Amino acid sequence: EMQLVQSGGALVQPGGSLRLSCEGSGFTFRSYWMHWVRQAPGKGLVWVSRINSDGSDTAYADSVKGRFTISRDNAENTLYLQMNSLRAEDTGLYYCARATEVVPNDMWGQGTMVAVSS
Amino acid sequence: DIQMTQSPSTLSASVGDRVTITCRASQNINSYLAWYQQKPGKAPHLLIYRTSSLETGVPSRFIGSGFGTEFTLTISSLQPDDFATYYCQHYHRHFQTFGQGTKLEIK
Repeated sequence: EMQLVQSGGALVQPGGSLRLSCEGSGFTFRSYWMHWVRQAPGKGLVWVSRINSDGSDTAYADSVKGRFTISRDNAENTLYLQMNSLRAEDTGLYYCARATEVVPNDMWGQGTMVAVSS
Repeated sequence: DIQMTQSPSTLSASVGDRVTITCRASQNINSYLAWYQQKPGKAPHLLIYRTSSLETGVPSRFIGSGFGTEFTLTISSLQPDDFATYYCQHYHRHFQTFGQGTKLEIK
């Protein structure tokens, strides 16, 4: 079965750090670009970051640039999001998704919750 | 930055109705437009990409159209399973921007 399984969400204090993981299985993980998308409670979807298939090219939303780092380990079929200097407004459900140039986000992880609060 | 604006924000309809959701881009995005369905507590699900291409397994009652700055998602005959929130998304060269969502409710 093709799937993305996420982990790493937690309650963290403002200014803290967290690393999210997203493990792919049942498909050729290294062939896909990967994205992180977040959703604040009761709100819409917001694109956060993306990485190309070999990990050499990354991009970030302005709201997280300089604080978040996306990376991947194709040998382990795993995508990461290192989140530093966390703020209350970073609170939400974080999804990973795979994409190609032609078909965007055709598979999503189940989501992992990040809560930033003192 | 390109902004995506959906209308309406909420839509009330009945089973069997034909409904249309509109998505407008702040500048020309050619045909790089996708639609997603999201149900409460679930991840989004891709319905349509490249404006009108149906994702595998998606029923043919979902119809996408448009070009440039104005796009629509039409559901030709609403089924009980279709009541959910719908998002449009501009994607190009692996950058993505979502609309704010349209909640489709049972009348």
